[in-house]
Amino acid sequence: AIQMTQSPSSLAASVGDRVTITCRASQAIRNDLGWYQQKPGKAPKLLIFAAVSLESGVPSRFSGSGSGTAFTLTISNLQPEDFATYYCLQDYNYPWTFGQGTKVEIK
Amino acid sequence: QVQLQQWGAGLLKPSETLSLTCDVSGGSFSGYRWNWIRQPPGQGLEWIGEVNHSGSTTYNPSLKSRVTISLDTSKIQFSLRLTSVTAADTAVYYCARMKTVYARDAFDFWGQGTMVTVSS
Repeated sequence: AIQMTQSPSSLAASVGDRVTITCRASQAIRNDLGWYQQKPGKAPKLLIFAAVSLESGVPSRFSGSGSGTAFTLTISNLQPEDFATYYCLQDYNYPWTFGQGTKVEIK
Repeated sequence: QVQLQQWGAGLLKPSETLSLTCDVSGGSFSGYRWNWIRQPPGQGLEWIGEVNHSGSTTYNPSLKSRVTISLDTSKIQFSLRLTSVTAADTAVYYCARMKTVYARDAFDFWGQGTMVTVSS
């Protein structure tokens, strides 16, 4: 199975900050990568798919980049509602695998 | 608007069978894949498996011997069965729809989650 490694595992940031989360795949996955946001007690929510495509209704302060084995999720101008845990997911081949998560906390 | 509503038993004893159902409203089965994903308390997400609109399934090899995912097209529901559960199967279980857009996939709609606890 493809291993997905996220960094950092957690970070503290302030409202208005620019935040970058990295996800690395154990093998090349083209751009078959998505980013999901999860808040406590809630199901994950799709933010980005195909590495760079913003899901409908998701604010434009979220952006994704990368291909192959290295990917980033950037949140520009961090808002109070963005404090959550973020997961990457590879959908290049089965079994689909998630990163371990990055918790974004308030500084 | 598509909604996924899931239900099933929340407390099981070791060796019993976990059974969950996910009802799809506001949409059809056609053109999508229907998935189950779980999350142990305080941990990350694990993909369990999926069924497509024609009933073809793919499972995570780590669970394949114990998992069955099926769909009921007449009710627009799909189900998860996991046999011989242990404490390691304690988790929140989610159903989710996978869309495919220009050959790119994503989980775009999720159920609300069901906490399943395995304890003697």
